[in-house]
Amino acid sequence: NAGVMQNPRHLVRRRGQEARLRCSPMKGHSHVYWYRQLPEEGLKFMVYLQKENIIDESGMPKERFSAEFPKEGPSILRIQQVVRGDSAAYFCASSQDRNYGYTFGSGTRLTVV
Amino acid sequence: GNSVTQMEGPVTLSEEAFLTINCTYTATGYPSLFWYVQYPGEGLQLLLKATKADDKGSNKGFEATYRKETTSFHLEKGSVQVSDSAVYFCALLQGGSEKLVFGKGTKLTVNP
Repeated sequence: NAGVMQNPRHLVRRRGQEARLRCSPMKGHSHVYWYRQLPEEGLKFMVYLQKENIIDESGMPKERFSAEFPKEGPSILRIQQVVRGDSAAYFCASSQDRNYGYTFGSGTRLTVV
Repeated sequence: GNSVTQMEGPVTLSEEAFLTINCTYTATGYPSLFWYVQYPGEGLQLLLKATKADDKGSNKGFEATYRKETTSFHLEKGSVQVSDSAVYFCALLQGGSEKLVFGKGTKLTVNP
């Protein structure tokens, strides 16, 4: 079991470009969560998805950010027209059920230049 | 709202020293409590957890006890090793919610 796979590990984008972050959950996990870690800060919840459904997006910025978890393939966190303030580590976690706990990926470190 | 407060770091100790990292929380009801560890360049790994008052979570020599009366979940280890150098995060999960709420993290450096 390869665990939660995130790619790329590092991503550099110029201001105004789009960033696409991918997360493949653990086998058998149908719940996916995205968290953002700003420098010197803890992780902040962004969005919770199940297959083809957004369950809770209360932590997502209202503009430029979107997430999906299609029936087939990885979950995608998409950031349009990136700005320097989007520079952060973005972590994905998955679970089979909340009572079984969450498994985190190694994260994607986004740098906007 | 729910929140977690951790002691400010960084914390620097010598090998075999005793470690305490304080964590207090604010939440309604009875959340589950967690400690996660993040090694340099890595994701978070669950270190230990407790789901109800007076539960003690333990793993790899680390311990934490869920104290409802003081709303605390302090992390302790009797004898730290260089390999314990990492950032430690306290977190809570409110009943009925899927969102983990994290503290800001405490960086621990253990010197030989």
